[in-house]
Amino acid sequence: NAGVTQTPKFQVLKTGQSMTLQCAQDMNHEYMSWYRQDPGMGLRLIHYSVGAGITDQGEVPNGYNVSRSTTEDFPLRLLSAAPSQTSVYFCASSYESHTEAFFGQGTRLTVV
Amino acid sequence: DAKTTQPNSMESNEEEPVHLPCNHSTISGTDYIHWYRQLPSQGPEYVIHGLTSNVNNRMASLAIAEDRKSSTLILHRATLRDAAVYYCILRDPFGNTGKLIFGQGTTLQVKP
Repeated sequence: NAGVTQTPKFQVLKTGQSMTLQCAQDMNHEYMSWYRQDPGMGLRLIHYSVGAGITDQGEVPNGYNVSRSTTEDFPLRLLSAAPSQTSVYFCASSYESHTEAFFGQGTRLTVV
Repeated sequence: DAKTTQPNSMESNEEEPVHLPCNHSTISGTDYIHWYRQLPSQGPEYVIHGLTSNVNNRMASLAIAEDRKSSTLILHRATLRDAAVYYCILRDPFGNTGKLIFGQGTTLQVKP
């Protein structure tokens, strides 16, 4: 039981490049979400999903796309990276909307 | 989403108890009170949660006011490893989103 796994751990992108941040969980959780954390700040919600095939926008969705084709995976796509997207990205999952949330270890992204 | 208010920072001495307060005056009758903490350079981790009654686990205790408008996370004997940012978050079982709304949290400093 690996919990929530995020890959890669570190990434450097050039402005305008695209990439996908991977998030996988092996706990059969329906609820998954993506957050970004800028230096010295709290986490902000980007997108979330309540089950396979269902996604919705959070607080800061611009510049990011998500899809949820399986229960296990919830990838986050950066369409055209910008320096403002330099941040640490966390993925989380939970069994129900009010139960314990599990977080991945994060992806540290730098856009130059 | 109901909002929580926490002090920006607190200090404690090692091996002494720590009481971390959280105000949530607009809490709904069904919101669960969750606490997470984030150690330096790590993803958030679950600490404890409750609805109405006080709760204990191996990490901490959660004391919930009778009117549920405030709660206190209690670390019985702080260690240096408890230095982290602590977040108090409300989770709604009927909102059916699974999202967590983070505030700035309380940065706990533990002195040897």
